[in-house]
Amino acid sequence: DAGVIQSPRHEVTEMGQEVTLRCKPISGHNSLFWYRQTMMRGLELLIYFNNNVPIDDSGMPEDRFSAKMPNASFSTLKIQPSEPRDSAVYFCASSPVRGGYTFGSGTRLTVV
Amino acid sequence: AQSVTQLGSHVSVSEGALVLLRCNYSSSVPPYLFWYVQYPNQGLQLLLKYTTGATLVKGINGFEAEFKKSETSFHLTKPSAHMSDAAEYFCAVSDQGNNRLAFGKGNQVVVIP
Repeated sequence: DAGVIQSPRHEVTEMGQEVTLRCKPISGHNSLFWYRQTMMRGLELLIYFNNNVPIDDSGMPEDRFSAKMPNASFSTLKIQPSEPRDSAVYFCASSPVRGGYTFGSGTRLTVV
Repeated sequence: AQSVTQLGSHVSVSEGALVLLRCNYSSSVPPYLFWYVQYPNQGLQLLLKYTTGATLVKGINGFEAEFKKSETSFHLTKPSAHMSDAAEYFCAVSDQGNNRLAFGKGNQVVVIP
């Protein structure tokens, strides 16, 4: 199993541009989570899906952030327009019905 | 809602000494408990987990943790620290009814030669 696959690994973009982060969860996992990690705030849950349905998006900071999961093998997190304060490492994780997440390697986003 | 407390953001330990990272949780129902490790520029990796059964659980790299219900704790230990243990460690809890994890703020472990 290749694990949770995130792309790109690094993204540098200018303020105001649209950014799309991608995630392929582990096959058979029914839950998918998007986290943001910064030095100041630590790990923050942005949104999570069960069986491709968004369950809780209360962690999404603003309307500039949106996430989709069109099928069981793919999810995107979009920021439009991006701002410098969005700079962080964004992690995707997937989980089976019970017990522990498997995290991807993350996308390091820098907005200049 | 569940929550996790990890005290001491930075922990220094001498090589060969005991590693002890404390984790206390709050949960209204019997919890599932986890420890994750994060090496620089990497994602979080599962070290060990408690769901049911034996309260002392062993994980990878010589780590173990004990679930103590009366103390609402799940402390992580390793008898002898190695340089390669330098990383950030996160404790997490979920209710048995769902698999949404609440993470602690993490402990950055520094191993002193």
